[in-house]
Amino acid sequence: DAKTTQPNSMESNEEEPVHLPCNHSTISGTDYIHWYRQLPSQGPEYVIHGLTSNVNNRMASLAIAEDRKSSTLILHRATLRDAAVYYCILGYNTDKLIFGTGTRLQVFP
Amino acid sequence: GAVVSQHPSWVICKSGTSVKIECRSLDFQATTMFWYRQFPKQSLMLMATSNEGSKATYEQGVEKDKFLINHASLTLSTLTVTSAHPEDSSFYICSASTGLLIYNEQFFGPGTRLTVL
Repeated sequence: DAKTTQPNSMESNEEEPVHLPCNHSTISGTDYIHWYRQLPSQGPEYVIHGLTSNVNNRMASLAIAEDRKSSTLILHRATLRDAAVYYCILGYNTDKLIFGTGTRLQVFP
Repeated sequence: GAVVSQHPSWVICKSGTSVKIECRSLDFQATTMFWYRQFPKQSLMLMATSNEGSKATYEQGVEKDKFLINHASLTLSTLTVTSAHPEDSSFYICSASTGLLIYNEQFFGPGTRLTVL
């Protein structure tokens, strides 16, 4: 399985944009990039996913490098509620999620 | 969005007893349910994959006789921790899927915190 590498932790101030990086240099041509996040003491929740093109939804944007070896999750205006562990996960023909260590995002008021 | 519930949300039990955790998809039918465990400050570890009416598929290193999974319907899966010991104390999380991740997001329950004394 292709692996992802994320920074252990990041910090942001409230209402500022946050760029969460994910490296996946061994990604296969069919792997999608999925992002989930886990708020404290809760189960994870879906954030966004994409294949090649940049993706936007109400929660975030996903910017995918042209060579697909890296991607960035963008939170346009961080709120205190966005403090969570963010997981970048690769997958294609599966419904199984294998979680890595993720990035713990702290948001300061 | 779709809702997945877990019951109980927390449980404390004595060493040697068995504990059952329920996972329900409340407003949709799940083709597959998954069970994870999570120790403090660590990531989620997939324990098993469960499909209705068939035996669960366990990940390597997970004892199937200790963690019994029953998937009675498209909306209910249960995890029973048999003869629980303090090292089984953890946060157990289930999730429900309606298909491949590229088309369908996976929905997670709120988790069950198990403490074994």
